[in-house]
Amino acid sequence: AQSVAQPEDQVNVAEGNPLTVKCTYSVSGNPYLFWYVQYPNRGLQFLLKYITGDNLVKGSYGFEAEFNKSQTSFHLKKPSALVSDSALYFCAVRALVGADKLIFGTGTRLQVFP
Amino acid sequence: NAGVTQTPKFQVLKTGQSMTLQCAQDMNHEYMSWYRQDPGMGLRLIHYSVGAGITDQGEVPNGYNVSRSTTEDFPLRLLSAAPSQTSVYFCASSSVTGGSSPLHFGNGTRLTVT
Repeated sequence: AQSVAQPEDQVNVAEGNPLTVKCTYSVSGNPYLFWYVQYPNRGLQFLLKYITGDNLVKGSYGFEAEFNKSQTSFHLKKPSALVSDSALYFCAVRALVGADKLIFGTGTRLQVFP
Repeated sequence: NAGVTQTPKFQVLKTGQSMTLQCAQDMNHEYMSWYRQDPGMGLRLIHYSVGAGITDQGEVPNGYNVSRSTTEDFPLRLLSAAPSQTSVYFCASSSVTGGSSPLHFGNGTRLTVT
């Protein structure tokens, strides 16, 4: 069965500092991995995805994520945080073969302080 | 482009009442799904559909019914509402079943069952 763990309920970072939001996954075979962001009273918006190839994936709004197969992790990163990055972030996984379902983690609230 | 449209935005039901949450997409997407979002639980998949006439259960299907008579519409029915179904419900679609296509989300329906 597929599963995703986001070990931190909340991450606090000062504006201008680098940020990391952690995600680990469990899936049979190779995964498709996604990050989504949710602003208040809105649906989720797609940020980036890992399919195959380069382990460092770049996405929207300056975010990137690093895929690590041996650690089954897909951490979200940004070199310099903005106050406007404050939101709820979700990691999600889908198996490459035979899986119609996209499974989400429990979410991490990112708070960027001025 | 409207994308994924959910109605209503808010709904209050009494225990035992029934209702239908509407979801429509105008992107000609084959894959559609329903999630519920609860604090500390992230997003959990209720039901999904890989095309007109085809539906399947997700992680938490009990108490919910779906049908997919057209590509555009994917309504979610609560037959006898319970307080445990108080949640925010999101409909999402993607162009391809499985694979690397990201989901497009509606803005959600906030349901309260008293």
